[in-house]
Amino acid sequence: GAVVSQHPSWVICKSGTSVKIECRSLDFQATTMFWYRQFPKQSLMLMATSNEGSKATYEQGVEKDKFLINHASLTLSTLTVTSAHPEDSSFYICSAIDISYNEQFFGPGTRLTVL
Amino acid sequence: AQTVTQSQPEMSVQEAETVTLSCTYDTSENNYYLFWYKQPPSRQMILVIRQEAYKQQNATENRFSVNFQKAAKSFSLKISDSQLGDTAMYFCAFGNDYKLSFGAGTTVTVRA
Repeated sequence: GAVVSQHPSWVICKSGTSVKIECRSLDFQATTMFWYRQFPKQSLMLMATSNEGSKATYEQGVEKDKFLINHASLTLSTLTVTSAHPEDSSFYICSAIDISYNEQFFGPGTRLTVL
Repeated sequence: AQTVTQSQPEMSVQEAETVTLSCTYDTSENNYYLFWYKQPPSRQMILVIRQEAYKQQNATENRFSVNFQKAAKSFSLKISDSQLGDTAMYFCAFGNDYKLSFGAGTTVTVRA
């Protein structure tokens, strides 16, 4: 199956700083990627849909100015957590759609800890 | 909005035996997909099985099979001949246009 990578795998930052997380589709082009958030021992919550070349679509309750998404190429989407606070600490997972397989592939996730 | 309900927070099964995980969902859509994903301790999401709503035949993937009851909006997963490597959290998910809504998850522990 297709491979999706995320970088970094984990990051620790100070409150008030911004953190960028990258999501890459390694062996296929993805016009659509998704960003999820998962708290410990809980389910995945869809945050936003990232579309190449256009603005992201955010789910209700997700602050678009807080979680900036950029999908500048067919293989890369980035999620920037701006002015991070401890409550933003979570596991962030991206996924990418491989049209040829008609399937969604998930990245390994990024653990964000805000001190 | 779609809701997905998994009523079993934890399940334990003896190695080589069978376990069934329940999932119900609510939707007004007619065309959609249902999924079971596995999340082991590594937290990598792995697709276990997928069912198209328009197909009446239940999907099967090796030791994994589903019982899809569209009218009842039920989608259970049966794991046969359980193996230690099946220990993980299992999520039921509803999909429409690739957007997924996940249930709360069921932690499955396979005992040696």
